Amino acid sequence: NAGVMQNPRHLVRRRGQEARLRCSPMKGHSHVYWYRQLPEEGLKFMVYLQKENIIDESGMPKERFSAEFPKEGPSILRIQQVVRGDSAAYFCASSPGSGTNYGYTFGSGTRLTVV
Amino acid sequence: DQQVKQNSPSLSVQEGRISILNCDYTNSMFDYFLWYKKYPAEGPTFLISISSIKDKNEDGRFTVFLNKSAKHLSLHIVPSQPGDSAVYFCAASTGGSNYKLTFGKGTLLTVNP
Repeated sequence: NAGVMQNPRHLVRRRGQEARLRCSPMKGHSHVYWYRQLPEEGLKFMVYLQKENIIDESGMPKERFSAEFPKEGPSILRIQQVVRGDSAAYFCASSPGSGTNYGYTFGSGTRLTVV
Repeated sequence: DQQVKQNSPSLSVQEGRISILNCDYTNSMFDYFLWYKKYPAEGPTFLISISSIKDKNEDGRFTVFLNKSAKHLSLHIVPSQPGDSAVYFCAASTGGSNYKLTFGKGTLLTVNP
């Protein structure tokens, strides 16, 4: 049973380009969460999605960032027109039910570098 | 506004001794607390959790203590092993949105052989 799969592991983008980060949850998990970790910081909640629904996006920056979790396929975190401040590690987690009581499992993350 | 604080960026202990990692929080609405362990280039791995209705939870070598009046929790690792060397994150959530974790900045634990 594969864990939460994130790809790519490393992504380099020039300023102004788009970044697409993918997250495939564990088998049987229909709840996905995205977190961002800036250098020397803890992880910060960005968004919570279920299939085809955004449940809570209170941690998403108001502009340039969007997330989706389609009926088929992985969850995607999209960052348009990236800037240097977007350089961070982005972690996805999944669970079979809503919340940490159900066993919230993290992927290995995508390290985004904006040059 | 940092609601979960881990004031020690690093901790070094000898193999076989006890490691004590501390965490303070400011939000009195937090009612569920978790500890995660993270190796470089990997995601956080769940270690142990505690509900606010308890003051202690134990799992093998790991024990978490919660002092609600002081808004303080600690993770004890006994005995410490070199493989425990990692960054440890304290995290908290509220009942109303238990899917949303608030993390501290982490403590780097080094266990020396």
